[in-house]
Amino acid sequence: GQQLNQSPQSMFIQEGEDVSMNCTSSSIFNTWLWYKQEPGEGPVLLIALYKAGELTSNGRLTAQFGITRKDSFLNISASIPSDVGIYFCAGQPPSVDKLIFGTGTRLQVFP
Amino acid sequence: NAGVTQTPKFQVLKTGQSMTLQCAQDMNHNSMYWYRQDPGMGLRLIYYSASEGTTDKGEVPNGYNVSRLNKREFSLRLESAAPSQTSVYFCASSLSGPYGYTFGSGTRLTVV
Repeated sequence: GQQLNQSPQSMFIQEGEDVSMNCTSSSIFNTWLWYKQEPGEGPVLLIALYKAGELTSNGRLTAQFGITRKDSFLNISASIPSDVGIYFCAGQPPSVDKLIFGTGTRLQVFP
Repeated sequence: NAGVTQTPKFQVLKTGQSMTLQCAQDMNHNSMYWYRQDPGMGLRLIYYSASEGTTDKGEVPNGYNVSRLNKREFSLRLESAAPSQTSVYFCASSLSGPYGYTFGSGTRLTVV
């Protein structure tokens, strides 16, 4: 089935640094979403993108829907310790009424 | 605001035992989903229900059955548990399709 390649797999950064992660696919998506999962909890929606080229921010988080519709990017500026968690991208293929999830990026932030 | 409630939170089963994971949502959502999460594998869809009375297989349905009991409840059953089914199971719901899935807090299942 369709797969999403999410990178990097993990990141270890210092507090205050900026973070970038991305998701790519070999086929197009109609919707891209970014979720965050904290330990012992389910994923929580951070940002949803619905149009190619769309750039959306949520506080220190900024995500973009790639022009080719085959990729998406998430940036976190000035990271803080509570940014720790696993970040998942998810995409909705055309004519499919469910999401496909990436394998996640595990983020660790050191003070 | 309960959202999506999953029970139990933790479970240990012996190989061959059966059990049902329960999921209920109070947001009047139409669609419900069961995922499993394994290290390095992300979230993989087991079964989903686009509306009350319908269910469809996802990516990894073997060894599982589901029941959409009503609009609120969607249960996942393991008839004969196997060690390969050791995982964290998440239930999710959405109003329609992929717009804003809401996830439960998960059930951590260990099969020994």
